[in-house]
Amino acid sequence: RKEVEQDPGPFNVPEGATVAFNCTYSNSASQSFFWYRQDCRKEPKLLMSVYSSGNEDGRFTAQLNRASQYISLLIRDSKLSDSATYLCVSYFSGSARQLTFGSGTQLTVLP
Amino acid sequence: GAVVSQHPSWVICKSGTSVKIECRSLDFQATTMFWYRQFPKQSLMLMATSNEGSKATYEQGVEKDKFLINHASLTLSTLTVTSAHPEDSSFYICSAMAGTKNNEQFFGPGTRLTVL
Repeated sequence: RKEVEQDPGPFNVPEGATVAFNCTYSNSASQSFFWYRQDCRKEPKLLMSVYSSGNEDGRFTAQLNRASQYISLLIRDSKLSDSATYLCVSYFSGSARQLTFGSGTQLTVLP
Repeated sequence: GAVVSQHPSWVICKSGTSVKIECRSLDFQATTMFWYRQFPKQSLMLMATSNEGSKATYEQGVEKDKFLINHASLTLSTLTVTSAHPEDSSFYICSAMAGTKNNEQFFGPGTRLTVL
């Protein structure tokens, strides 16, 4: 089982739609979580950090459920510019501070 | 936000040659740098963790003699792919951690390596 698993997608949604991505993680000791977005042939860019029960930033809402080891990302009123791959990431300090990336969910927002 | 640069951004080389990729933190000191590899349509896979002044810690399955990492200063880490082969063709991305902001890693723009 992968440490971080995501909906494989792809998600093709019309402009203005609401879309939700799901992510589960297997390491219960993970300390924090992030959503990154990655455009084609580019590096990942931090979208949101998710620390406790979740947080909201404009059209983006992230939820964390530690009991179920589940994270979600909700995008409301999607824009064409939201088209990208969204990466669910967990952080665990352990002996070597590192991030574990999910395989990503591809989103295409259609006009 | 913190800026990390990588050089070169892309490289094409013949099989058997060695390629060096530089990763620099431009406006902060990076106590730890990470090297990732990403194949098409796959996730980023951590290759190694590099701490300034010490040997890199390699992930299982990554050959340390093939992927040489040097972290000589708090702002520079290098990855050398030795005797590159076509299967080494990939997108190599570094990231740097400042150790101050919520464990956030700042990513370089990546280096696309194509080995002919």
